[in-house]
Amino acid sequence: GQQLNQSPQSMFIQEGEDVSMNCTSSSIFNTWLWYKQDPGEGPVLLIALYKAGELTSNGRLTAQFGITRKDSFLNISASIPSDVGIYFCAGPEVRGGGSNYKLTFGKGTLLTVNP
Amino acid sequence: KAGVTQTPRYLIKTRGQQVTLSCSPISGHRSVSWYQQTPGQGLQFLFEYFSETQRNKGNFPGRFSGRQFSNSRSEMNVSTLELGDSALYLCASSLGGGSVYGYTFGSGTRLTVV
Repeated sequence: GQQLNQSPQSMFIQEGEDVSMNCTSSSIFNTWLWYKQDPGEGPVLLIALYKAGELTSNGRLTAQFGITRKDSFLNISASIPSDVGIYFCAGPEVRGGGSNYKLTFGKGTLLTVNP
Repeated sequence: KAGVTQTPRYLIKTRGQQVTLSCSPISGHRSVSWYQQTPGQGLQFLFEYFSETQRNKGNFPGRFSGRQFSNSRSEMNVSTLELGDSALYLCASSLGGGSVYGYTFGSGTRLTVV
């Protein structure tokens, strides 16, 4: 199956700093998703990207769908303590004519923000 | 609207026992997917159900099974529990069409096998 390589594995930053993380794949994805997981909770969708080259923002978060369709990055500007958590990239592995799919996830980036 | 509800939130079982976890999807969502999350392996896909039928299956042994009811609620069962089955089990629901739009996770069930 498809695999997503997410980096860095962890980051420790000071409040107010900008953060960048990325995800690469050996296969082409038609959609890229970025999730955040707080401790003890399920992942929550932050940004969805549907088109190669697309740049989408959600508040202080910006994500881009790489032009090769094999990579994506997520930036967080002016980080705050509540940004702490694990960030995952994900993409759907399409099967069965496009109506059946499962999400493949990167292993996550653990973000720690020092106040 | 209500989100995805998973019960119970926490569970402690002994090796060799079996366990059943429940997932109630968002109203109107017909697809339910299950994932196992561990620190070492990340999020691993278990299976997906749509209209009471298993559509996709991950690479887990037959001890892991699931089902979906006519109201789209889903259960997963793990038999003959092993220590390595300790994990956070997440379910996600979606409308079930070809788009990942609306793919929403529950808070998970934390299973500890002792």
